[in-house]
Amino acid sequence: AQKVTQAQTEISVVEKEDVTLDCVYETRDTTYYLFWYKQPPSGELVFLIRRNSFDEQNEISGRYSWNFQKSTSSFNFTITASQVVDSAVYFCALTLIDTGANSKLTFGKGITLSVRP
Amino acid sequence: GAVVSQHPSWVICKSGTSVKIECRSLDFQATTMFWYRQFPKQSLMLMATSNEGSKATYEQGVEKDKFLINHASLTLSTLTVTSAHPEDSSFYICSARGTTDTQYFGPGTRLTVL
Repeated sequence: AQKVTQAQTEISVVEKEDVTLDCVYETRDTTYYLFWYKQPPSGELVFLIRRNSFDEQNEISGRYSWNFQKSTSSFNFTITASQVVDSAVYFCALTLIDTGANSKLTFGKGITLSVRP
Repeated sequence: GAVVSQHPSWVICKSGTSVKIECRSLDFQATTMFWYRQFPKQSLMLMATSNEGSKATYEQGVEKDKFLINHASLTLSTLTVTSAHPEDSSFYICSARGTTDTQYFGPGTRLTVL
């Protein structure tokens, strides 16, 4: 079975601070995808990134960056120069690369990020 | 691209009535759709997985006779909460997955049963 742990439950920062959201995962499979989703107060989950288990390259998209390290089973997410609009719940998730029943998403419990002006 | 809609966004109903929630993939064909339930300040709980044209696969503990799922086409899945009771009040979210192995989520439906 897969497991995703987001040990941080709530983080509060002041605008313009950098913040890192941690995600640690467990799986015995070697082929999987890792995801980050953002859930703002409106409730809709917004897809942010998908990373293939074979691709450990870090990725940067604007103020967002992701650090994937298989050696520590971690897929951390950093927001640089945070803004109030970044306030949301962030979920890390994992799915096996499989077209069958195993292709379900395993979610972490989410991290509530509050960015104060 | 990859837009998923849900309707209605919120619904209030009386105990004992049935409520239907629609989930549509607007710009892609969804071979698989998922239905989740989310309680306040909690993560998403998968209720069932549905593939177009076949019966849904329910997660353990989810009553299939209470939560009827129909996936009639590659762009539409419906969840019907039958004989709703106050304990069914929750936030229901659907997601759709096409060929990219990424689930895209709808905006959710907030159900309140009086």
